[in-house]
Amino acid sequence: AQRVTQPEKLLSVFKGAPVELKCNYSYSGSPELFWYVQYSRQRLQLLLRHISRESIKGFTADLNKGETSFHLKKPFAQEEDSAMYYCALSSYNFNKFYFGSGTKLNVKP
Amino acid sequence: GAGVSQSPSNKVTEKGKDVELRCDPISGHTALYWYRQSLGQGLEFLIYFQGNSAPDKSGLPSDRFSAERTGGSVSTLTIQRTQQEDSAVYLCASSLRARGESGNTIYFGEGSWLTVV
Repeated sequence: AQRVTQPEKLLSVFKGAPVELKCNYSYSGSPELFWYVQYSRQRLQLLLRHISRESIKGFTADLNKGETSFHLKKPFAQEEDSAMYYCALSSYNFNKFYFGSGTKLNVKP
Repeated sequence: GAGVSQSPSNKVTEKGKDVELRCDPISGHTALYWYRQSLGQGLEFLIYFQGNSAPDKSGLPSDRFSAERTGGSVSTLTIQRTQQEDSAVYLCASSLRARGESGNTIYFGEGSWLTVV
């Protein structure tokens, strides 16, 4: 069965510190992995997707099929990065999205 | 429309009353989802519609919750005999099956904030 696991409910770091939000998944086919972000009082929006291999707002994520992980990383956290982050999995074959439980990132000044 | 539209944006209702929440997905999107987000909590999957297939209702918390999607477009989530624990933001999302970078992204509405008093 498809499943997305985000082990940390809350992650607090100081401004300028590196940050890594963990995401592990289970899926037997060829998944597409995403990170979605929800800033305070805004709608959930796409941050990045593994298929694009891009860096958005300094964040990157690499799909590691061996470890079935898609951790989100940023070398120097900023206060404006404080938000709720969700890892999600989907595939063209089934088009259903599965979300992790989310990690709240708090970047302290 | 340009994005997923939800109404009402805010709803205060008395315990025991029924409420209906509406979602208008992005035109042409075949998949529609309802999620619930309680204060400070993560996403809770409620129900999923995909084309003409039978919906996946596995996330509905009780038989007081139901949803339908008419004509493959607009969806209505109905909560009967509301309880205080139903207070939450109800999010609707839609997606389109497509390969590569042009598709298979899920888009969210701004949510309907429900308060049961």
